[in-house]
Amino acid sequence: DVQLLESGGGLAQPGGSLRLSCAASGFTLSNYGMSWVRQAPGKGLEWVSNIDGGGVGTYYADSVKGRFTISRDTSKNTVYLEMNSLRVEDTAVYYCAKRALDTTGWFDYWGQGTLVTVSS
Amino acid sequence: EIVLTQSPATLSLSPGERATLSCRASQSVSIYLVWYQQKPGQAPRLLIYDASNRATGIPARFSGSGSGTDFTLTISSLEPEDFAVYYCQQRYTWPLTFGGGTKVEIK
Repeated sequence: DVQLLESGGGLAQPGGSLRLSCAASGFTLSNYGMSWVRQAPGKGLEWVSNIDGGGVGTYYADSVKGRFTISRDTSKNTVYLEMNSLRVEDTAVYYCAKRALDTTGWFDYWGQGTLVTVSS
Repeated sequence: EIVLTQSPATLSLSPGERATLSCRASQSVSIYLVWYQQKPGQAPRLLIYDASNRATGIPARFSGSGSGTDFTLTISSLEPEDFAVYYCQQRYTWPLTFGGGTKVEIK
């Protein structure tokens, strides 16, 4: 069975950093694209970043470009989101989601999310 | 960026009624429109991909239609477990975008 388990969320100060992890099981990361999607409290879904199955192509929402970096470690079957220069508006539950195809597919599996709170 | 507008924001219906949810794109996304369901405290769940294809395990009462800029998610007869928030998402181009959601609530 496919499972995605996020970790690394918590409280950070504005301007601070956090690194989120998404441990995947039941499939091989190198065959599928992966994204991070966030949801601010009481709000809708916002796509944040994507890494393709080859691990080379990365994409970012304008709201996080230059501050967040997506990466992966195929030996650990884990995807990461390095978040720097955090802002109050980055407060959200962060979900990792598996693409059904390589880079372009729909999100067929989601993790349960990890909460990031940015506050002084 | 492609903006997805969902309507209505809230739909108040009774179990057994038909629900019709709309998603309109600011430019064509061809058929590359996806629907998700989200219940409180849970992650989103895939319902429909590429406008009209039901995901594995999704009941036949859920159906999707449309192409280009106008899409519809229909729930033919609401079950108690269908009361939730529904989001559309386009995978046609970067950045990926979601609609603002439609909440289907019990009347």
